[in-house]
Amino acid sequence: EVQLVESGGGLVKPGGSLRLSCAASGFTFSTYSLNWVRQAPGKGLEWVSSISSSTSYIYYADSVRGRFTISRDNAKNSLYLQMNSLRAEDTAVYYCARGYNWNDHFLIADAFDIWGQGTMVTVSS
Amino acid sequence: QSALTQPPSASGSPGQSVTISCTGTSSDIGGYNYVSWYQQHPGKAPKLMIYEVSKRPSGVPDRFSGSKSGNTASLIVSGLQAEDETDYYCSSYAGSNNLIFGGGTKLTVL
Repeated sequence: EVQLVESGGGLVKPGGSLRLSCAASGFTFSTYSLNWVRQAPGKGLEWVSSISSSTSYIYYADSVRGRFTISRDNAKNSLYLQMNSLRAEDTAVYYCARGYNWNDHFLIADAFDIWGQGTMVTVSS
Repeated sequence: QSALTQPPSASGSPGQSVTISCTGTSSDIGGYNYVSWYQQHPGKAPKLMIYEVSKRPSGVPDRFSGSKSGNTASLIVSGLQAEDETDYYCSSYAGSNNLIFGGGTKLTVL
């Protein structure tokens, strides 16, 4: 079964750090771009970051650039999101998602076909 | 980059068709043919329904279709069924290596 499973969420104080992980199974991980998308409680979806299959292309939303770092380990079929200098507005469910298509401008996928169940990150004192 | 604009709600009766709009600018929807639509049931992960404006991934019923005119994209759901009642989100490539989502639309089947 094709699957993504996130972990690492929790409660952290403002200014703190957290590292999210996403374990993949059921597909050839190294050939797909991967992404993080978040959803604040009761709110809509927000794109956070994307990474190409070979890590040649890495992109961030303006809201997290300089604070978050996306990475992947193709040998371990895992995606990561290192989150530093966390703020209250980073509170959300964080989903990892697999890239589906090819965007000639983005140079990776902009549509996501497989999503994890999400992991909750709460930033509060 | 501002979020794309979707109506908060839409509704239709079983068997009817309903259209959900997603309005952006010439820098996102109007500038690229990279609009996607996602369906999200409460407490669940989003599901890809449409990509590249009008393409359907395998397994998505052909009752779901997409289109674009100028700076506005649309998701059309025909032959409404009770199971279609949930939230829908659009997204678009916005240039400069950015993706943006809409605020979401709650579809009610009357």
